Amino acid sequence: ETGVTQSPTHLIKTRGQQVTLRCSSQSGHNTVSWYQQALGQGPQFIFQYYREEENGRGNFPPRFSGLQFPNYSSELNVNALELDDSALYLCASSWGAHMQETQYFGPGTRLLVL
Amino acid sequence: SQQGEEDPQALSIQEGENATMNCSYKTSINNLQWYRQNSGRGLVHLILIRSNEREKHSGRLRVTLDTSKKSSSLLITASRAADTASYFCATGNNNDMRFGAGTRLTVKP
Repeated sequence: ETGVTQSPTHLIKTRGQQVTLRCSSQSGHNTVSWYQQALGQGPQFIFQYYREEENGRGNFPPRFSGLQFPNYSSELNVNALELDDSALYLCASSWGAHMQETQYFGPGTRLLVL
Repeated sequence: SQQGEEDPQALSIQEGENATMNCSYKTSINNLQWYRQNSGRGLVHLILIRSNEREKHSGRLRVTLDTSKKSSSLLITASRAADTASYFCATGNNNDMRFGAGTRLTVKP
C-alpha cells in the first residue's frame, strides 16, 4: 500500500507569483483534501476533491484552485501569492465523499513567500 | 475558522506519567478525531469516535466524547519520549473538517 506523497517538499516564491503543489493519494482512495497550516496553528481546510469534482470548500479566496486527475492525484494552485500564503500545505486522502472519515496525510509542502 | 479548541495549549510531563488533553467544539458533529503531528510534518490519525459513542480505546490511548458538553478528551497513559508531538482534535460534518490549534506535548525522559 503506497502512502500519500507530496511534491515539492519546500518551495520559495516571491509575492505575485503563482505556485502549483502536487499530491498523490494513497492507493485505493478516491478523495483528496487540501489544508493550509500556518506556524503554530491547526490545519485550515481549503477544499476537497471527490472523483475529479470539487466537493467542499473552506473560507479561501478563488485564487486558490485545484484539480483532481483520473488516477485521483491532485494539484493545488495558488495565484497572485501573498506573504500570508507562507505556510505548510498538507494534502490528505480518504475513501468516499464525506469529510468525517479518517484522512491519511502526506508530509506536506512548506511554502515561503518573500 | 477553527472549530475545536484544545486545552491546554502546552503540556510538559515526565516519561511514565499520563497526559490528558481536552477539546471543545461549537457545532453538532458526526464524529471527532484526534491526530498527532511531529515537528510540523504530516498528521497521523490516532483515533476516531463517532457521535453515538462515549468512550474508545486504542493501545495507550483513551478518548471520551460528551456531546452534551461538546467536549472530548484524549488520555495517553504511561507516556514515552516518542509521544512528544502536537495533538489536534478535528470535527467532521458532511463536507467540512475543522481542526483546533493543538496541544503541544513534551515528554521528558
